[in-house]
Amino acid sequence: SQQGEEDPQALSIQEGENATMNCSYKTSINNLQWYRQNSGRGLVHLILIRSNEREKHSGRLRVTLDTSKKSSSLLITASRAADTASYFCATDARGAQKLVFGQGTRLTINP
Amino acid sequence: NAGVMQNPRHLVRRRGQEARLRCSPMKGHSHVYWYRQLPEEGLKFMVYLQKENIIDESGMPKERFSAEFPKEGPSILRIQQVVRGDSAAYFCASSPREGIYYGYTFGSGTRLTVV
Repeated sequence: SQQGEEDPQALSIQEGENATMNCSYKTSINNLQWYRQNSGRGLVHLILIRSNEREKHSGRLRVTLDTSKKSSSLLITASRAADTASYFCATDARGAQKLVFGQGTRLTINP
Repeated sequence: NAGVMQNPRHLVRRRGQEARLRCSPMKGHSHVYWYRQLPEEGLKFMVYLQKENIIDESGMPKERFSAEFPKEGPSILRIQQVVRGDSAAYFCASSPREGIYYGYTFGSGTRLTVV
């Protein structure tokens, strides 16, 4: 079963707008990671947030983590056409030594 | 630093043939993970290996699939007697230590098509 579930499954916005994607998970985690996948390519690691952190920034990316709700959000500000991709959250279940990925959010930025 | 190298990029096999997928991790990375992705879906974990050891193979089908990461050379994912349902993109990732704490570096994948 999936540990992480992204919401929405697909998101289409205009260039310059902000994009917000959410991820919910089921079990306790050590950390949560976000990845981007361009069509036909491998995944690229974007950001990692540890279970004792609530918010983290990297450039135009902002990630929040609410362990009480078992959820995370990824915000991309001032979106660009190049941000068009699928975005996945990944978590480790406590005691597991592997990342489990959600189904992803397909983000389309319209020029 | 060439990153994680997977080959071939595309592989076509007839039903019943064997598919052999290769993954060379980043230099200095000793942890390798294999995932499978069906179209429009997320990644499904298959196996986690360290040099000469299988750490977790809970995602590997019990039959026809095997993986290895020898002391020398790339990691190999082997699928025997392929069937149409094996058609997917197979991604390899590596990390210098346990990737759950630091993140994975992914290869570009091998797209297997079974005809």
